[in-house]
This record gives sequence, structure tokens and C-alpha cells, in this order.
Amino acid sequence: SQQGEEDPQALSIQEGENATMNCSYKTSINNLQWYRQNSGRGLVHLILIRSNEREKHSGRLRVTLDTSKKSSSLLITASRAADTASYFCATAVLNAGGTSYGKLTFGQGTILTVHP
Amino acid sequence: DGGITQSPKYLFRKEGQNVTLSCEQNLNHDAMYWYRQDPGQGLRLIYYSQIVNDFQKGDIAEGYSVSREKKESFPLTVTSAQKNPTAFYLCASSIRGANGANVLTFGAGSRLTVL
Repeated sequence: SQQGEEDPQALSIQEGENATMNCSYKTSINNLQWYRQNSGRGLVHLILIRSNEREKHSGRLRVTLDTSKKSSSLLITASRAADTASYFCATAVLNAGGTSYGKLTFGQGTILTVHP
Repeated sequence: DGGITQSPKYLFRKEGQNVTLSCEQNLNHDAMYWYRQDPGQGLRLIYYSQIVNDFQKGDIAEGYSVSREKKESFPLTVTSAQKNPTAFYLCASSIRGANGANVLTFGAGSRLTVL
């Protein structure tokens, strides 16, 4: 089963509104990342938050991480039609020795549609 | 320009045929990855390599093979043993991190359709 579960699966909003996407995971992580994918294209990295961080900002993006609840959220403020895409969370999972396997595990994604 | 190049962009294959997808990067990244993407299932890891001449199976390696003879190249072969190979295949690379995965740079993808 997937390490990351995202909610909602699809989100439809109007331009100017905020969009919030959530990600839950199952095991201990080193870091959590968010990626964006336009239809039929490769993924583009948006932001990384480490396990010892609680919040991070980048432009109109705000990411929070709650390791006690094993969850993260991505907030896009003042959305634009150009933000229409799929958004994925990805986790760098720790192994039993406390180090990373050196790979990312992706969630199933949230499809965001922003109407002009 | 630095980046990852995947080819071909579209590929059609008859059942029973092997096919090789190319992935080349000029970012001087140590680690490279292959993911498969099916509608509604997100990305699943097929194989990854953190250094030349070494690679590890991901979550869905059965029916696939890879090689890593050069730092720049990580080709993926979809063999006839793969039961349902029709999918979108994504190659990625990253700096090899001492502890924790680093940021992935993705190629544009290769869409394989089995006829």
C-alpha cells in the first residue's frame, strides 16, 4: 500500500481562493516533499520540510508537518488558473537503523482545478 | 541546459516484445530512479540506483530490468514478463544524500502502450 495518502482526491475552487491539500503517512520519515505535475508531464519539486520542522513557506505556498499525527498539509494562497495541476506529497522513509533508504515514496495525489 | 531527457516520448509495443526506455541526465547527479504512474495510483518505484554499477529493486520491479553502466544513463527495459506494461514511465535523478532522500528532478516521461 502507498506510504502517503492524500486528501481530497480532487479539489475545485475559484481564482483568488485558497487551496488546502492534506497528506498522511504511516512510518517515520526524514523529510516530506511536495511536487506538482501538469497533465502528461513530469513532476516539479515545490518544497521540502524536514522532520524537525513544523512549518515552511515559499512564495504563496505554506507547508506544515505534524510528526505526531504523521500528517502534512500544503496551502496555496490566492490561487490562479495556472495553479491547476496534480499535487503529490512524497516521503523519505527511515529504515530500522534510522537512516534513509535513499528513495521517495509518493502519495496518490490531489487534482486541483482553479476556475478563472 | 541541464536536465533529464527521456526517450521516446510515446512508444507502442506488441505483446511479447521487450522495450527499452532511455533516461539520460547531465546534472552530475549520483542517484537515478524509475517510477511508473497509472491513473489514480500515483507514482510507484520500479528501480533505483545510488551509484554507478549498483541498483536496487523498488516496490514493483517484477517484469523490469535496469543497468547503470554510466553515471549519466539509467535505461529501463520492460520485458514480456511484465503483465500490464501500459503506463506512463518517469525517470528522475538526485544528488546522493548521506542521510535522507534529496530533491528529485524529473524527466518529461515516456508513455508506453501495449497493443
